[in-house]
Amino acid sequence: EPEVTQTPSHQVTQMGQEVILRCVPISNHLYFYWYRQILGQKVEFLVSFYNNEISEKSEIFDDQFSVERPDGSNFTLKIRSTKLEDSAMYFCASSPDRAINQPQHFGDGTRLSIL
Amino acid sequence: DQQVKQNSPSLSVQEGRISILNCDYTNSMFDYFLWYKKYPAEGPTFLISISSIKDKNEDGRFTVFLNKSAKHLSLHIVPSQPGDSAVYFCAASARGSNYKLTFGKGTLLTVNP
Repeated sequence: EPEVTQTPSHQVTQMGQEVILRCVPISNHLYFYWYRQILGQKVEFLVSFYNNEISEKSEIFDDQFSVERPDGSNFTLKIRSTKLEDSAMYFCASSPDRAINQPQHFGDGTRLSIL
Repeated sequence: DQQVKQNSPSLSVQEGRISILNCDYTNSMFDYFLWYKKYPAEGPTFLISISSIKDKNEDGRFTVFLNKSAKHLSLHIVPSQPGDSAVYFCAASARGSNYKLTFGKGTLLTVNP
């Protein structure tokens, strides 16, 4: 069964450094998402992406964050200057389209640890 | 932000019995509801969903019930198996929201042999 893959599985970065989290969505999917889960808290929506542009973003997704689909397969989340509070699990998800009854499929996540 | 609430952090049942996981929501714009299962060190895995035009959806051992007037949904697993032990997340989305998912905090289900 096709799956969403994320790399790396664990990223340790010094505060203030830039980090790029990578995702390969399911190949025929058109909608891409990033979520995060801070330890002990809910999974939170960050951003949705369609047709090479952001379709919606949350309050969390400030100017330090950006997303890109640099080629036909990868979908990346960049944090420009990381803060301690960016430490979390980051999940990428994709779905075929926005029609109802199309669930999002998630990758296994990247654990980001900011020191 | 408590738009989706799972009030039971944990649930323990015996193998072969029914597991019932509950979820409440407050946003009346939600029209699509999903259950995800999550094992440690893995991402959420889609389990079953229901749209607001239905009140029940069944897939094998899993059934989701939706009570729109009460803004409540539940997931029934019968019979429960030890491999069902995981964290179960309720999630919801609203048309017009780019289908971003709003998650509950999750319920840890433990099925004892």
